[in-house]
Amino acid sequence: DTGVSQNPRHKITKRGQNVTFRCDPISEHNRLYWYRQTLGQGPEFLTYFQNEAQLEKSRLLSDRFSAERPKGSFSTLEIQRTEQGDSAMYLCASSLGSTGGLAGVQNTGELFFGEGSRLTVL
Amino acid sequence: AQSVTQLDSHVSVSEGTPVLLRCNYSSSYSPSLFWYVQHPNKGLQLLLKYTSAATLVKGINGFEAEFKKSETSFHLTKPSAHMSDAAEYFCVVSVYGNKLVFGAGTILRVKS
Repeated sequence: DTGVSQNPRHKITKRGQNVTFRCDPISEHNRLYWYRQTLGQGPEFLTYFQNEAQLEKSRLLSDRFSAERPKGSFSTLEIQRTEQGDSAMYLCASSLGSTGGLAGVQNTGELFFGEGSRLTVL
Repeated sequence: AQSVTQLDSHVSVSEGTPVLLRCNYSSSYSPSLFWYVQHPNKGLQLLLKYTSAATLVKGINGFEAEFKKSETSFHLTKPSAHMSDAAEYFCVVSVYGNKLVFGAGTILRVKS
């Protein structure tokens, strides 16, 4: 399978513990995104990377959240001191961004999503 | 700010009848719009996208959507529903080509 891979698929943890999720994007994709989805809502943007550079972070991403993509390939999303409100599905997506002259890097539009990592904080 | 509003949280149709899922967008410039589908325990999949070419966009599995600037709408349609179409559908707008903003979703139920 050459799609976006996320693990673990499910994680149950106690409040206050740290958790880490991993995302392996499609190999030739230079952009990687993290989204969060809670029940009854659409996915909400958290952050994205262009290669290893983290280009944007949502205000949803509190100080307890950190994301890395050290070699421009896989990415990790760590949540420290988890709270019950962190319970959600964490989605990773990747895409092939294109360079657009003076406008900088532009996304071609389509994101390829993994199946998500579901976090339950007790 | 760019945003989308999905007008129905749930839609129920009978198999073989038409499907209409409604979406209105808000954008300060000509938007790129998408429909994604999410089946239970599956990743989000792109159905179709509009990027300022033809206003009627055809997607996978017989779905299509029409971009109407005067109505700021991008409704998703299919002439004949199939049981396998039951899923959650998201209308999405691209923000400056860098990230996607999702609507709240419409759950489509198909009755036999």
